[in-house]
Amino acid sequence: NAGVTQTPKFRILKIGQSMTLQCAQDMNHNYMYWYRQDPGMGLKLIYYSVGAGITDKGEVPNGYNVSRSTTEDFPLRLELAAPSQTSVYFCASRQVNSPLHFGNGTRLTVT
Amino acid sequence: DQQVKQNSPSLSVQEGRISILNCDYTNSMFDYFLWYKKYPAEGPTFLISISSIKDKNEDGRFTVFLNKSAKHLSLHIVPSQPGDSAVYFCAATADYNQGGKLIFGQGTELSVKP
Repeated sequence: NAGVTQTPKFRILKIGQSMTLQCAQDMNHNYMYWYRQDPGMGLKLIYYSVGAGITDKGEVPNGYNVSRSTTEDFPLRLELAAPSQTSVYFCASRQVNSPLHFGNGTRLTVT
Repeated sequence: DQQVKQNSPSLSVQEGRISILNCDYTNSMFDYFLWYKKYPAEGPTFLISISSIKDKNEDGRFTVFLNKSAKHLSLHIVPSQPGDSAVYFCAATADYNQGGKLIFGQGTELSVKP
């Protein structure tokens, strides 16, 4: 039981490049979330999903896209990377009446 | 528009004493509150939660208090230990049982000195 697995752990992108941050969970959780953490700003919700095929915007969705084709996977896509997207990204999942389980994060730098 | 606020970026406490971390919220629809703890280079981990129908929840050294009229909650750690040194986030949600999104505060970095 690995919990929530995020890949890669680190990535450096050039401005304008694209990439997908991977997130997988093996706990059969329905609900999955993407957060970003910036210094002094706490965790901001980017997108979330309440089940396969269903996604919704969070607090800071601009510049990102998500998909949820399976219960296990919830990838986050950056199409045109910008310096403002330099951050640590956390994926999380949970079931009804249970707390969020977080992955260990992806540290992304856009230069 | 910061719906959940932790106004103290840092707190330093002596080992064995009480640590009190505070959190304020603005959305009166929030009905479930959680505290998470985060060590460097790791994801946050769940610590303790409280429903809006309660005003206190206790788990070992950790107690969360909720004052709905003041829209304020606090986390008490007694006694504090050096291993408690971490960043603490409070979070709130309006529809927890339907997978509602959790809104987090900015975090408070707790340092417990031996």
